[in-house]
Amino acid sequence: ELKVEQNPLFLSMQEGKNYTIYCNYSTTSDRLYWYRQDPGKSLESLFVLLSNGAVKQEGRLMASLDTKARLSTLHITAAVHDLSATYFCAVDINYGQNFVFGPGTRLSVLP
Amino acid sequence: EAGVVQSPRYKIIEKKQPVAFWCNPISGHNTLYWYLQNLGQGPELLIRYENEEAVDDSQLPKDRFSAERLKGVDSTLKIQPAELGDSAVYLCASGVGTSGRNEQFFGPGTRLTVL
Repeated sequence: ELKVEQNPLFLSMQEGKNYTIYCNYSTTSDRLYWYRQDPGKSLESLFVLLSNGAVKQEGRLMASLDTKARLSTLHITAAVHDLSATYFCAVDINYGQNFVFGPGTRLSVLP
Repeated sequence: EAGVVQSPRYKIIEKKQPVAFWCNPISGHNTLYWYLQNLGQGPELLIRYENEEAVDDSQLPKDRFSAERLKGVDSTLKIQPAELGDSAVYLCASGVGTSGRNEQFFGPGTRLTVL
């Protein structure tokens, strides 16, 4: 059974600081997704990582994938309040046969 | 381009009542998903359609849940009868297929409260 874990589950950080959210999974996969969810809203796609070593950046967020370590990271640079949200990673194995979300990391960026 | 549309956005019912949720995917998306999201947790897949065929319904509690996707476009998820534990957000997502990027686009969800 595919298990997806995220660390930390809760993160409170000050504006301007850097931090990394980790997503690790238990079964071989080379497709991993990051989503953002604001309170009471639906999920917004942030990054699609499709191969080992893939790195994607958008604004203050950068995501990477290491399929050998079964690990993805979401790095936050110089955080701002607008980044406060819950971030989910999701892993796809066997081309959509199994698509599993992590528990989410709730990020609060404090002024 | 219009996104995934779901209705209703909110629904409050008493236990043992039936309830139905509707989803209209993004035009041209042949893959459709229904997820359940409990408070503070990640979405959990209930059922996945490719066109009108349910290709993965292993997580759907078939004693009370049913779904259909007639003509391979809109889909309906039904619960009958609803139980207190069914209170959650029901999300619909669509995509262009499971090969390639397999990126899923989510609707706003239906928040169900069972009293």
